[in-house]
Amino acid sequence: AQSVSQHNHHVILSEAASLELGCNYSYGGTVNLFWYVQYPGQHLQLLLKYFSGDPLVKGIKGFEAEFIKSKFSFNLRKPSVQWSDTAEYFCAVGIYNQGGKLIFGQGTELSVKP
Amino acid sequence: EAQVTQNPRYLITVTGKKLTVTCSQNMNHEYMSWYRQDPGLGLRQIYYSMNVEVTDKGDVPEGYKVSRKEKRNFPLILESPSPNQTSLYFCASSLRESSYNEQFFGPGTRLTVL
Repeated sequence: AQSVSQHNHHVILSEAASLELGCNYSYGGTVNLFWYVQYPGQHLQLLLKYFSGDPLVKGIKGFEAEFIKSKFSFNLRKPSVQWSDTAEYFCAVGIYNQGGKLIFGQGTELSVKP
Repeated sequence: EAQVTQNPRYLITVTGKKLTVTCSQNMNHEYMSWYRQDPGLGLRQIYYSMNVEVTDKGDVPEGYKVSRKEKRNFPLILESPSPNQTSLYFCASSLRESSYNEQFFGPGTRLTVL
């Protein structure tokens, strides 16, 4: 069965530290990849997405992610985090021709200390 | 303002008492979906709808029903709620099937079943 795995359940960083959140998926076919963010008490919002082309995609608020097909990975990065980045981050994989299914990872809670 | 709305936002009920959580979107989206979010499990799809009168099961459909009589509305029905349905529920919509399109999420409904 297809699945998405996020390596870290909870990450704690100080402001200005660099961030990398891991995401791996298990599916051998064509996928589309997303990162969503959920700020405390709010609904999920799209950070960035990859469909095709340049495997390094840039999203909002200085986030970027790199798709490495050989590793089935789509890691999220930010060079310098801010306190306002405190949120839960979800990696999601869209599998075409499966009813438009979007499979989410377990989520990574990021806490940024001021 | 383009949005997905859900009602109620919070609900405490008792086992066996039928309830409905409403979801409405004003973006003329074809695809709508319900997810539940549980700690450590991420978001899991309950049901989805590709268009009016077209619904299908997601990964965790047991104990839930849905209907899609109008394009804008996609209510989630719990005929006989049980404590294991205590969760945070999100409705989402996208222009078309979600593997290619950004999903827009509602604010969530926190349900407690006693």
